[in-house]
Amino acid sequence: AQTVTQSQPEMSVQEAETVTLSCTYDTSESDYYLFWYKQPPSRQMILVIRQEAYKQQNATENRFSVNFQKAAKSFSLKISDSQLGDAAMYFCAYRSAWGTSYGKLTFGQGTILTVHP
Amino acid sequence: EPEVTQTPSHQVTQMGQEVILRCVPISNHLYFYWYRQILGQKVEFLVSFYNNEISEKSEIFDDQFSVERPDGSNFTLKIRSTKLEDSAMYFCASRVLGGFTEAFFGQGTRLTVV
Repeated sequence: AQTVTQSQPEMSVQEAETVTLSCTYDTSESDYYLFWYKQPPSRQMILVIRQEAYKQQNATENRFSVNFQKAAKSFSLKISDSQLGDAAMYFCAYRSAWGTSYGKLTFGQGTILTVHP
Repeated sequence: EPEVTQTPSHQVTQMGQEVILRCVPISNHLYFYWYRQILGQKVEFLVSFYNNEISEKSEIFDDQFSVERPDGSNFTLKIRSTKLEDSAMYFCASRVLGGFTEAFFGQGTRLTVV
């Protein structure tokens, strides 16, 4: 079974600064997908960014980018020019590309991000 | 923009009572999911549903739980006899066919068992 670990329960950043959230995962699969979801106080889960494991190029979405290290099974999220609206719980998630676990998301424990003005 | 809709937003129920949580997935989506998040903890997978049957379920999804897509638009989660430990936020999600497609989540139903 796959596991996802987020070792930082809480992180904080000053507005306009850059912060990196860590995520590691454990899998024996070679093909899979990785996601970062944001959960603001409203509790709704919102996709931030996604990465396909067979693509070496790191995904980027505006101020959000990832550092995907497949050999190290690491998938960190970098938020540049942090804004007050980025304050939320961030979840790293794994999805298998094949087999019986195809489709379900396995989440990490989450990191609470606080943005200071 | 299409969205996944869940009702009710908050439900309080007595221990031992049956509850039905309702979800309307996005209309052209084919995969449907229920997840649970106990307060302050991580989001946990409960069940996935495709082609009118359960495709996978977790250990949490025991005989007290069932899912149904009764009319082609709604997707329901039933808990037959609620326990205190069923108190959690329940999220419905859906997505289209294809491995790299995004799962869209509803806003959640907060279930409180007293």
